[in-house]
Amino acid sequence: AQSVTQLGSHVSVSEGALVLLRCNYSSSVPPYLFWYVQYPNQGLQLLLKYTTGATLVKGINGFEAEFKKSETSFHLTKPSAHMSDAAEYFCATISGGYNKLIFGAGTRLAVHP
Amino acid sequence: GAGVSQTPSNKVTEKGKYVELRCDPISGHTALYWYRQSLGQGPEFLIYFQGTGAADDSGLPNDRFFAVRPEGSVSTLKIQRTERGDSAVYLCASSRSGTGQETQYFGPGTRLLVL
Repeated sequence: AQSVTQLGSHVSVSEGALVLLRCNYSSSVPPYLFWYVQYPNQGLQLLLKYTTGATLVKGINGFEAEFKKSETSFHLTKPSAHMSDAAEYFCATISGGYNKLIFGAGTRLAVHP
Repeated sequence: GAGVSQTPSNKVTEKGKYVELRCDPISGHTALYWYRQSLGQGPEFLIYFQGTGAADDSGLPNDRFFAVRPEGSVSTLKIQRTERGDSAVYLCASSRSGTGQETQYFGPGTRLLVL
């Protein structure tokens, strides 16, 4: 069964520093992979997704992620953190042939001045 | 509407009571999903509708949980004989046609607290 694992429940960075949020997947078939962001008291918003094609995927707000099959990873990065990036980030995949999203446990990103 | 809406935004009830949570998907979206997010965890799938029918209800935890979508738009998640363990944020999402690579658009959720 498909699954994702997010390493690190909390990540703290300084404003302007590199953001790296880790996600590893487990899948017997080529996966569809997603990163969602959740701001306090708001719904989940899609940052980016990988389906097929280019392995480097660019998303909103300057985020990008690279699909690495050899490492079964889909880490999320942003070159320079802003205070407004503070939120919870979820990696997700689609389970089998169905449409249900399988989420990781989430990583809470804190950005300090 | 412009996005997925959910009502109420917050619901406090007593153990043993019945609750209904409503979801209005994006207009024209045939696929609708319910997820449950417990504190400190990622959302967990509950049920998926394609049109009026429940195509996958494998995530419903037990028979106290039931969901309907009678006209293929608005959906209601119903919980009978609520338990304290049902306390969570219930999220609804919709997508255009339900293919796996489509973006699912989420509502803000209903925060349910069972006392």
